[in-house]
Amino acid sequence: AQSVSQHNHHVILSEAASLELGCNYSYGGTVNLFWYVQYPGQHLQLLLKYFSGDPLVKGIKGFEAEFIKSKFSFNLRKPSVQWSDTAEYFCAVKGTGGGNKLTFGTGTQLKVEL
Amino acid sequence: GAVVSQHPSRVICKSGTSVKIECRSLDFQATTMFWYRQFPKKSLMLMATSNEGSKATYEQGVEKDKFLINHASLTLSTLTVTSAHPEDSSFYICSAIIGTGGYGYTFGSGTRLTVV
Repeated sequence: AQSVSQHNHHVILSEAASLELGCNYSYGGTVNLFWYVQYPGQHLQLLLKYFSGDPLVKGIKGFEAEFIKSKFSFNLRKPSVQWSDTAEYFCAVKGTGGGNKLTFGTGTQLKVEL
Repeated sequence: GAVVSQHPSRVICKSGTSVKIECRSLDFQATTMFWYRQFPKKSLMLMATSNEGSKATYEQGVEKDKFLINHASLTLSTLTVTSAHPEDSSFYICSAIIGTGGYGYTFGSGTRLTVV
């Protein structure tokens, strides 16, 4: 079975600070990895995804994530956050041998202060 | 892009009644849809996978007789919470696969169910 853990439940940053949100997964085979963002009152939106190839993935709004296979990690980063990045962030994994089911982490609530 | 419309966004119902939540794919055909439940400060928990024209596949621990899922067309899946109780109060989210291969997912905006 696949699982995901996100270590930071709440993060508070000032504008222009750098962001890194941790995500570790557990699965015995090849995985597809995703980061989703949920702004207040809105649906989940895809930030970026990794399927294969370059382990450094660039997404929308200046976000990027690095897949480190040896560490089973897929941390999300942004060099300089903005107030509008305040949202909840979810890491998700899909094991390629487990159908199309996504397994989500518990989410990280990010608050960016002016 | 591919959009999934979920209704209602909020519903309050009395204990013992049933509530239906709809999930429609607006500009694409959704062969496979997923229903999630999200508890406060918790992850999205997959409840079931629904495939058009066939019975839904429920995750372990999810009562299929309580959470009825119907996916009768390529654009509509419904989740009916039957004989609702306060413990069923939660945030329910539907999702659909975009295209083939399971490489993309789109999500509904969720339904906040409160059972009183």
